[in-house]
Amino acid sequence: AQKVTQAQTEISVVEKEDVTLDCVYETRDTTYYLFWYKQPPSGELVFLIRRNSFDEQNEISGRYSWNFQKSTSSFNFTITASQVVDSAVYFCALSETSGSRLTFGEGTQLTVNP
Amino acid sequence: KAGVTQTPRYLIKTRGQQVTLSCSPISGHRSVSWYQQTPGQGLQFLFEYFSETQRNKGNFPGRFSGRQFSNSRSEMNVSTLELGDSALYLCASSLGVLQTGYTFGSGTRLTVV
Repeated sequence: AQKVTQAQTEISVVEKEDVTLDCVYETRDTTYYLFWYKQPPSGELVFLIRRNSFDEQNEISGRYSWNFQKSTSSFNFTITASQVVDSAVYFCALSETSGSRLTFGEGTQLTVNP
Repeated sequence: KAGVTQTPRYLIKTRGQQVTLSCSPISGHRSVSWYQQTPGQGLQFLFEYFSETQRNKGNFPGRFSGRQFSNSRSEMNVSTLELGDSALYLCASSLGVLQTGYTFGSGTRLTVV
């Protein structure tokens, strides 16, 4: 069975601080996909990134960066120079190619204070 | 390009009633998945439809059902509503091929009283 763990339930930072959201996953598949979604108060899940298990190259997109390490089964997300608009719940998710469902972590509530 | 549209946005129902939620996927997307989000259980997969066939199903009782039409629009139905069915129901659409990613709608917030 697959599982995603986001150990940080809530994180509070001051604007311009860097913040890292942790994600650890479990799966028996050798091919799988990892995702990060952002959920603002409006409720919609906003897609941030998708990474397949064969691509361990880290990715940077503006202030966002992701660190994927298969050796530790982790897919961590860093926001550099956080802004108030980054305040939201962030979800890490896993999808195995054998199925089409997403298994979500519990989510991390990020609050960025001015 | 229009996103995933879910209707209605809010719904209040009484215990024992049934409810139908609707999801219109992104044009060209053939896969529609449904998720339930509650404070206690988080985001849980309900089922997925691809080309009008249920392709995958989560661990929910038979009161939860769904279907997909030829235009890829999907509906989910919950019969004999219970207080615990109060949740945000999210729909996601994708091309359904090679895990191309999922785009979510804004959800339907169901309150059962």
